[in-house]
Amino acid sequence: QKEVEQNSGPLSVPEGAIASLNCTYSDRGSQSFFWYRQYSGKSPELIMSIYSNGDKEDGRFTAQLNKASQYVSLLIRDSQPSDSATYLCAVIQRGGYQKVTFGTGTKLQVIP
Amino acid sequence: DGGITQSPKYLFRKEGQNVTLSCEQNLNHDAMYWYRQDPGQGLRLIYYSQIVNDFQKGDIAEGYSVSREKKESFPLTVTSAQKNPTAFYLCASTQIAGAEAFFGQGTRLTVV
Repeated sequence: QKEVEQNSGPLSVPEGAIASLNCTYSDRGSQSFFWYRQYSGKSPELIMSIYSNGDKEDGRFTAQLNKASQYVSLLIRDSQPSDSATYLCAVIQRGGYQKVTFGTGTKLQVIP
Repeated sequence: DGGITQSPKYLFRKEGQNVTLSCEQNLNHDAMYWYRQDPGQGLRLIYYSQIVNDFQKGDIAEGYSVSREKKESFPLTVTSAQKNPTAFYLCASTQIAGAEAFFGQGTRLTVV
């Protein structure tokens, strides 16, 4: 089982719709969770961080965390063509060395 | 401005050569990481370091070496033992307390 799993996509949504991106993780003791956006040929940039169960909203983005189900998601409201990118889920696992582990990413395509 | 600087942006290596990728950060972060990304793939961890003069192998350390003589610097050497080094290399840093990772611009290495 991979430590952090994401559906590779592509996920296609029409402009203005809600895009829902999902991520599961294997280490129940994981502490910190992040979503990054990566445009083709560029480095990842942080969108959201979430540390406790529930929802966290920032503009058009909402991160949702359910530690019991080992599940974290990202919702993008009013999707725009500029949101078309690969979205990476990242998890910091417990332990003395707080290694950041990334999922393989979900490619999102917003269709005008 | 604080940030992470990777150099060079593009690097070409001949078969059998060692090459060194530079990563410097002025964020005063304790932890630094090297990732490799292949086309259409996620980020795979090569090495990481939590403190000066200490580093740990990641998932794909074979054929790579690192050093951490200064807090600000974490260079990666791609040795001739790495048989398929063509990839996009990303350096990142985090505060040791489990905060988000910040990335450099990346180095694209090509074997010629």
